[in-house]
Amino acid sequence: AQTVTQSQPEMSVQEAETVTLSCTYDTSENNYYLFWYKQPPSRQMILVIRQEAYKQQNATENRFSVNFQKAAKSFSLKISDSQLGDTAMYFCAFMRNNNDMRFGAGTRLTVKP
Amino acid sequence: DVKVTQSSRYLVKRTGEKVFLECVQDMDHENMFWYRQDPGLGLRLIYFSYDVKMKEKGDIPEGYSVSREKKERFSLILESASTNQTSMYLCASSFVSGDQPQHFGDGTRLSIL
Repeated sequence: AQTVTQSQPEMSVQEAETVTLSCTYDTSENNYYLFWYKQPPSRQMILVIRQEAYKQQNATENRFSVNFQKAAKSFSLKISDSQLGDTAMYFCAFMRNNNDMRFGAGTRLTVKP
Repeated sequence: DVKVTQSSRYLVKRTGEKVFLECVQDMDHENMFWYRQDPGLGLRLIYFSYDVKMKEKGDIPEGYSVSREKKERFSLILESASTNQTSMYLCASSFVSGDQPQHFGDGTRLSIL
């Protein structure tokens, strides 16, 4: 079974600074997909960024980027120039080809003014 | 934009009642999912469906059933509600292609008294 671990239940960062959220996973699969989702206080889960395991290049979406270390089974999310609107729960997720997605427990991020 | 709509944002029911949670998506997605979200546990998969009238058990199906009579609608049923089913319930949908992320509804916060 696949497991996803987010070791930081809560984090905080000052506005405009950079923060990194950690995620590790356990799998014997070689082909899979990794995602970071954001859940603001309004509750709808929003996809932030995705990474295909077969791609060595780290994914980037504006201020959001990942550090994907396949051998270490690590998938961290870096948020640059943090904004107040980044305050949310962040979930790391692992998905195999069959759409079976597994989520971590989440990290609650607070951006302080 | 993908729209996943859950019928209720908040719901209060009594122990022993039969409870229906409804979810509708408008993007012709083949896959639909029901999760429950609890603090410190992340999202746990209850059931999913990859086609009309098809269903598969997730990690925590006990006490729940589902119905998918039409492609756009996926219902979660609590046969006899119990207090330990008080939780946030999230519906999601996706295309069947193995690399597609899931899109989520706003969630239903269900309280069983």
